[in-house]
Amino acid sequence: AQSVTQPDIHITVSEGASLELRCNYSYGATPYLFWYVQSPGQGLQLLLKYFSGDTLVQGIKGFEAEFKRSQSSFNLRKPSVHWSDAAEYFCAVGAGNNDMRFGAGTRLTVKP
Amino acid sequence: NAGVMQNPRHLVRRRGQEARLRCSPMKGHSHVYWYRQLPEEGLKFMVYLQKENIIDESGMPKERFSAEFPKEGPSILRIQQVVRGDSAAYFCASSARTGGRNEKLFFGSGTQLSVL
Repeated sequence: AQSVTQPDIHITVSEGASLELRCNYSYGATPYLFWYVQSPGQGLQLLLKYFSGDTLVQGIKGFEAEFKRSQSSFNLRKPSVHWSDAAEYFCAVGAGNNDMRFGAGTRLTVKP
Repeated sequence: NAGVMQNPRHLVRRRGQEARLRCSPMKGHSHVYWYRQLPEEGLKFMVYLQKENIIDESGMPKERFSAEFPKEGPSILRIQQVVRGDSAAYFCASSARTGGRNEKLFFGSGTQLSVL
């Protein structure tokens, strides 16, 4: 059965520092992988997704993620964090919208 | 173009009452998904609906929960005889076409249900 693990429940970084949010998955076939951001009081927004091809995926807001099959990982990165990036981030895996599994989320706090 | 609208944002019910959560999809979207987010857990799929049809309800509890998406009006997630364990944030999402692999979901802001 597919599953998604986000090992870090809460991460705090200073503004301007680099960021990496971890995501590990278990899936029987080639997975489709997603990162969503949930901002306080707002809905979820798709940051990026990986289906096939180049394993380094560029998303919105300066985020990127790299699919590593050998490590079953799809970590989210950003070179320089902005205060507005503070939010809850969800990694998801699945084959379709009604077959998605979400991680428990990682809360990002940005210090001034 | 308004996004996915969910209301109410917060809903408080006493045990045994009914909760009705509404979701208006984005304009032009005919596919709606409901998810439940429990504290310290990820979003869990509940049900996928098209207009007047339930496509996949594999994530719905067998009892007390029901969902509809009528031809006119919002999608409704109905929870009868609520219990404290129903307390959670319920998110709705919509998409324009069938829930295939590449279809982008748009999420609402969620309804926080609190059962006293």
